[in-house]
Amino acid sequence: TQLLEQSPQFLSIQEGENLTVYCNSSSVFSSLQWYRQEPGEGPVLLVTVVTGGEVKKLKRLTFQFGDARKDSSLHITAAQPGDTGLYLCAGPVYSGNTPLVFGKGTRLSVIA
Amino acid sequence: GAGVSQSPSNKVTEKGKDVELRCDPISGHTALYWYRQSLGQGLEFLIYFQGNSAPDKSGLPSDRFSAERTGGSVSTLTIQRTQQEDSAVYLCASSVIGSQPQHFGDGTRLSIL
Repeated sequence: TQLLEQSPQFLSIQEGENLTVYCNSSSVFSSLQWYRQEPGEGPVLLVTVVTGGEVKKLKRLTFQFGDARKDSSLHITAAQPGDTGLYLCAGPVYSGNTPLVFGKGTRLSVIA
Repeated sequence: GAGVSQSPSNKVTEKGKDVELRCDPISGHTALYWYRQSLGQGLEFLIYFQGNSAPDKSGLPSDRFSAERTGGSVSTLTIQRTQQEDSAVYLCASSVIGSQPQHFGDGTRLSIL
């Protein structure tokens, strides 16, 4: 059983469109992190959300942590080809000093 | 450099050979992870080191896989008697402590012929 479920698995859109990807769990997380991975590189941290209901913005990217801290979403406005990549969410399995568990990711392709 | 460094970046070897993959974490990071990523897939957790604690080996797929971390810094992932299904990108990451954001290397692309 996957602790973090990401959807959709694949997404292909035209430049300028908006999109939302989701990261869901039946478990409560103390925090969730979002990473983006481009081909040939390791994942790079985009943001960490900590408080239930929290919204963080990073230019055209808006991240939201669910009130119950069981889910998170990433909304991209006016997508650009540079947004293409694998988007991964991750969170600590338990509170304290424990490793992260990763979702399987959403592979986004933005076509010019 | 300031980031996580992995070597080699690419490795091609014949089935049945042993391989060693190296990871140099960010200085001062006590947590170190190894992941495997097959083509187009997400991250498969392999092993986790945290300080001087016993490593969490729960993700290692078989006893052909092992890893060590010497002096709390550099780590080596060893795959013995490689099989074609071992072909993947092997990623290393480090963090200040276990639950904190991870900093990834660019991985070693392993191809088993």
